[in-house]
Parts: sequence; structure tokens; C-alpha cells
Amino acid sequence: DIQMTQSSSSFSVSLGDRVTITCKASEDIYNRLAWYQQKPGNAPRLLISGATSLETGVPSRFSGSGSGKDYTLSITSLQTEDVATYYCQQYWSTPPTFGGGTKLEIK
Amino acid sequence: DVQLQESGPGLVKPSQSLSLTCSVTGYSITSGYYWNWIRQFPGNKLEWMGYISYDGSNNYNPSLKNRISITRDTSKNQFFLKLNSVTTEDTATYYCARERDGYNWYFDVWGAGTTVTVSS
Repeated sequence: DIQMTQSSSSFSVSLGDRVTITCKASEDIYNRLAWYQQKPGNAPRLLISGATSLETGVPSRFSGSGSGKDYTLSITSLQTEDVATYYCQQYWSTPPTFGGGTKLEIK
Repeated sequence: DVQLQESGPGLVKPSQSLSLTCSVTGYSITSGYYWNWIRQFPGNKLEWMGYISYDGSNNYNPSLKNRISITRDTSKNQFFLKLNSVTTEDTATYYCARERDGYNWYFDVWGAGTTVTVSS
């Protein structure tokens, strides 16, 4: 199975900050990467697929980038409603696998 | 809009079987898409378990070996998860989720989840 590593399990941010969350695959996943947002008590919500394609309804302050093994999710000007845990997921090979999550907390 | 809702027992004894239902509204599960089960363990690790497709075919995570079965009732527009020989390590929140095309395995619609505890 491909291992997905999110190096930061959590970090503290301030409202209005630009935030970058990283995800590294154990092998090349050819941009077959999705990002999810999960708030406490809720299911994950798909934000981005194909490493860069924003889902309908997702605010434009979210963006994805990367290639090969290394990918990032960026949030410009963090809003209160963005405080959540973010997961990456590869779907280059089966089984699809998830990163361990990165939790954003307000300073 | 399509909506998914999980249901089933919240407590299962070790060595027994875990059985959950996902009820789908707003779309026929035989019209398209792939219908998945995903679980989230305490500590938040997510694991894809398997799917049943619109045409009834299955694909399972090899880690679950012969313990898993995903079936459906098309008359009720429901699909089901059965996990045999459960242990305390199967304690998790179980989600059903939709995947669009059987090729790009990301999940765009999720149920709210149901928590299952395995304990005697």
C-alpha cells in the first residue's frame, strides 16, 4: 500500500494567516491526490481532487499544488470556519489510502 | 441531491459480526457510481474498506481479507456492510461514501457516520 505522510499532525494559526499543509506519498502518485476537510462530529468533506481541482462550492482561498510524491494544500487568509482537520488521500493505486491528518488550531 | 445515511448497532461483541446499512436517497444505486464503506478509527486514521458498484461488482481492501462483504438491496436503494469476526480493533466510526467513476477513487458524498464499539 502507498503510505501517505502528513508531517504536521497539528499546528497553531492566526485568523488571516496563509496556511500550507503538506502531504508526502511513499511513491509517485501522478497527481492522483484528494484533500478533505473534517470538522468535529462531521464526515470528511471533499475539497480538491486531481491535486489541484477545486470542488464546486469550495471557497477560492483553498488551493492545491504538487507533483510526484509531494503535495500541498494552501489556504489564503484563514477564516474561522476553516479550523478543522485536513486529510490527503491518494488514489493512484488500490487500496486508496489517507494521510494521518493535520489539525489547525487557533493561536 | 444524493444523500447517504448509515444505520446499525452501536455495540457489537468480539467474535461476532458487524452489520451496517447505508440508505441512499436522491439517486438510484443501480444508475451509476460506486458505493463505498470507509472507517475512521479512534485517533482519526481513515481506512477504505471496499465498494459495491452500480452493477453489483465488489472490490475490497486486502487488509480485511475474508472478513468483509458488501451487498445491496436495490428495491430499498440500500447497501450493506458485513464484517465478520470483529475484535476491539474494529471499533471505529463507519462511513458510507460515493465514488464517481470506479477509476478516480476519491469520495465526493459521505454519510454522517455511525460509531460502532466492539466490546464484551
